[in-house]
Parts: sequence; structure tokens; C-alpha cells
Amino acid sequence: DGGITQSPKYLFRKEGQNVTLSCEQNLNHDAMYWYRQDPGQGLRLIYYSQIVNDFQKGDIAEGYSVSREKKESFPLTVTSAQKNPTAFYLCASSMGDRVSEAFFGQGTRLTVV
Amino acid sequence: GESVGLHLPTLSVQEGDNSIINCAYSNSASDYFIWYKQESGKGPQFIIDIRSNMDKRQGQRVTVLLNKTVKHLSLQIAATQPGDSAVYLCAENRGSSNTGKLIFGQGTTLQVKP
Repeated sequence: DGGITQSPKYLFRKEGQNVTLSCEQNLNHDAMYWYRQDPGQGLRLIYYSQIVNDFQKGDIAEGYSVSREKKESFPLTVTSAQKNPTAFYLCASSMGDRVSEAFFGQGTRLTVV
Repeated sequence: GESVGLHLPTLSVQEGDNSIINCAYSNSASDYFIWYKQESGKGPQFIIDIRSNMDKRQGQRVTVLLNKTVKHLSLQIAATQPGDSAVYLCAENRGSSNTGKLIFGQGTTLQVKP
């Protein structure tokens, strides 16, 4: 089945540690995105990539980093510089010209203690 | 600043009734508006979208209405079912269709009473 997979579903880390969230898609989509969702809030864009080896900052990129070495993969690293990292992280992908029909993964809930 | 917002955080309806979920936006330059359904602990699922040059678009049991005069977007669900219970997110795509900058509202929780 084609889809977009995030792992792990739940992640716990100690404060001050970097952590990498995985996102893989086999939909042959060019564009991939990372969003953050806080309780009772909408999604906020962290980073997005429209093509391999290229990515742009979203609205809340500080404290995060990404890479796009392969079309299928768009990992997100939450660094120790991110002041409030506990959140629900969502990865999405879309055809390059159909961003309105983005497909989302099931999310990773990160808790930093 | 500019944002996408929803009028009510929670909407409770009786099974079989029609539901109307509202959203207000502030950016006139957006060319796409989208509705997503998000079930608890899961990622959003695309429901329907509408271009800024349209007023109405219908899908299966859903209708999206766009009123550009008052910058208002609504999602109508016909014959609401228990499986429709979820958080509904509206989003706007600012700029050209391939920029990837979807701006989301906070969401409305739809509760369907049996």
C-alpha cells in the first residue's frame, strides 16, 4: 500500500538531547512537509521541501533541522535549542503542484522530560 | 497578524442532522482553501478543497462554501454520522499552488450524538 509513514508513534527524550523523527513516503511525491501541533491548536509549518536536496524554513523553524537526501525521506531533528519541543509532529507529502491535497502521516508525539 | 480561525471550538449535533462548520480567514491573496478531518491521535485527512475563484464545491455528503466578501469558509456535512466525529481543520494555501505554505486554523471538534 502506498502511504506516508512516521516513526516512532511515541518518543520520550531528556531535556538537552537532540532527537530525530523519521518520515518516509512511497507515493512518489516531490514535496514533503513537517508541521507541529500543540493541544487545541492548528498545525504550524516547520520546514518544507519541494525537491530533493532543497528545503525551506516554515514559520517556526528555529530549533529544528531537516535533510532531504532522498525523495522518499524527510527526517526532522529537534535540537536542544528548541525551547518547547513537547508536541505532536506531523509529516506530509504532496505532488509538487497539488499541495492542497497533502497526505499526512499518523504523527509522532514527542515528550521531553 | 493574519490567520485562519474557526468560529466555534466545539459543535455538537444529533445523528442524522446536517452539520455546518465555519471558518474565517483574513488573507485575500490565498488561492486555495482546504478542509481536513483529524481523528484523535491521527494525522489530518483531506476532505475537500475549493479554489478562490469558486463559491461552492460539492463532494460526497460534504459541501464547501466560500464567501470572499466576508472572508468566510464553511463545511456542510449532510446526514451526520457517528463516524464523522473528529476535529475539522480549515486551511488556506497562500501564494502559488506549489509553495507548500498551508496555514491552518485551530480546529472545530464535531461531536455526533446517537
